[in-house]
Amino acid sequence: SQKIEQNSEALNIQEGKTATLTCNYTNYSPAYLQWYRQDPGRGPVFLLLIRENEKEKRKERLKVTFDTTLKQSLFHITASQPADSATYLCARPNSGNTPLVFGKGTRLSVIA
Amino acid sequence: GAGVSQSPRYKVAKRGQDVALRCDPISGHVSLFWYQQALGQGPEFLTYFQNEAQLDKSGLPSDRFFAERPEGSVSTLKIQRTQQEDSAVYLCASSLADYTYNEQFFGPGTRLTVL
Repeated sequence: SQKIEQNSEALNIQEGKTATLTCNYTNYSPAYLQWYRQDPGRGPVFLLLIRENEKEKRKERLKVTFDTTLKQSLFHITASQPADSATYLCARPNSGNTPLVFGKGTRLSVIA
Repeated sequence: GAGVSQSPRYKVAKRGQDVALRCDPISGHVSLFWYQQALGQGPEFLTYFQNEAQLDKSGLPSDRFFAERPEGSVSTLKIQRTQQEDSAVYLCASSLADYTYNEQFFGPGTRLTVL
């Protein structure tokens, strides 16, 4: 089955800076990648989907990139705020139109 | 209710007991998923329904795990003869139609602890 890796377990960042989270995948490029946010004791919440033929997607302070050469997606939060502190999960379909495989997540802490 | 709900939120079971976890998806959502999330890990896929049909159960870890969605709405995940390794958060998610390219809406999860 496909693997998806989020290299950093935890990332600490100063308020106002840009947080950059990394997601790497193996084997062939998926048709899309999804990013979710998860707060303690809650289920994940969908943030963004980026398709294989899209280089970049933006939503408010969020930006996601998809590099099929590097087999990597980057997730950026600009002007980070303490309220952005959460675990961020990257996910891809296992193969074709199959259910999602999630990474372990990166726990982001934004320090005031 | 606007979101996916799950009950109970917390369940403590003695090893060997059977448990049943319930999921109420968003009304009208065709696709329903169950995931298992261990501490510090991402959700791991267990099974998928499209309406009442269980189209994929490849993630169920053993034949002690069984899921159903008889009328295409509410779903139940049953675990028989629970073991300590079954301790985890069980997440349910639903999606409007075919899940491909569509976001999944997650419930808050049921935290199962097996003693």
